[in-house]
Amino acid sequence: AQSVTQPDIHITVSEGASLELRCNYSYGATPYLFWYVQSPGQGLQLLLKYFSGDTLVQGIKGFEAEFKRSQSSFNLRKPSVHWSDAAEYFCAVAPVSGNKLVFGAGTILRVKS
Amino acid sequence: DAEITQSPRHKITETGRQVTLACHQTWNHNNMFWYRQDLGHGLRLIHYSYGVQDTNKGEVSDGYSVSRSNTEDLPLTLESAASSQTSVYFCASSEGTAGGELFFGEGSRLTVL
Repeated sequence: AQSVTQPDIHITVSEGASLELRCNYSYGATPYLFWYVQSPGQGLQLLLKYFSGDTLVQGIKGFEAEFKRSQSSFNLRKPSVHWSDAAEYFCAVAPVSGNKLVFGAGTILRVKS
Repeated sequence: DAEITQSPRHKITETGRQVTLACHQTWNHNNMFWYRQDLGHGLRLIHYSYGVQDTNKGEVSDGYSVSRSNTEDLPLTLESAASSQTSVYFCASSEGTAGGELFFGEGSRLTVL
């Protein structure tokens, strides 16, 4: 069965510092990969997605993610974090032929000034 | 603008009662999903539908049911609410294409006493 692991439950970074959130997946073939963000009391919003092609994917709000097939990873990065980035971030996978997303447990990002 | 709305946003009920959470989308999407969000588990799929009269069980479907009588609505029913069903419930929709972006509602917080 497919699964998604986000090893870090909480991460705290200083405003202006770089950020990397880790995501590893387990799946028989390369799936579709996603990162979503959830602000407090809100639904989830898509940051970026990887289907195929260039392994470095650009998303909204200055985020990017890199797909590494050899490591089954899809880590999310941002070069300089803003206080408004404080939220919970979810990595998700879906089979190439389907629409059902499987989500990781999430990583809560705190930004300190 | 197209949107997806959930109601009620907050509900408190007692063990054994029937509860229905409404989900209405104006995207005209074929696919609709119900997830529950619990700390440490991320989002887990309860039920999903790929079109009118189509419903499917997800990962944690026991104690829940859905029906799809039109494109816009996918109500989630808890036949006999249990304390283990205290959670935040999210409805989402997507187009019929594989890997389509999920659009989420703002969630319904259910407390079962």
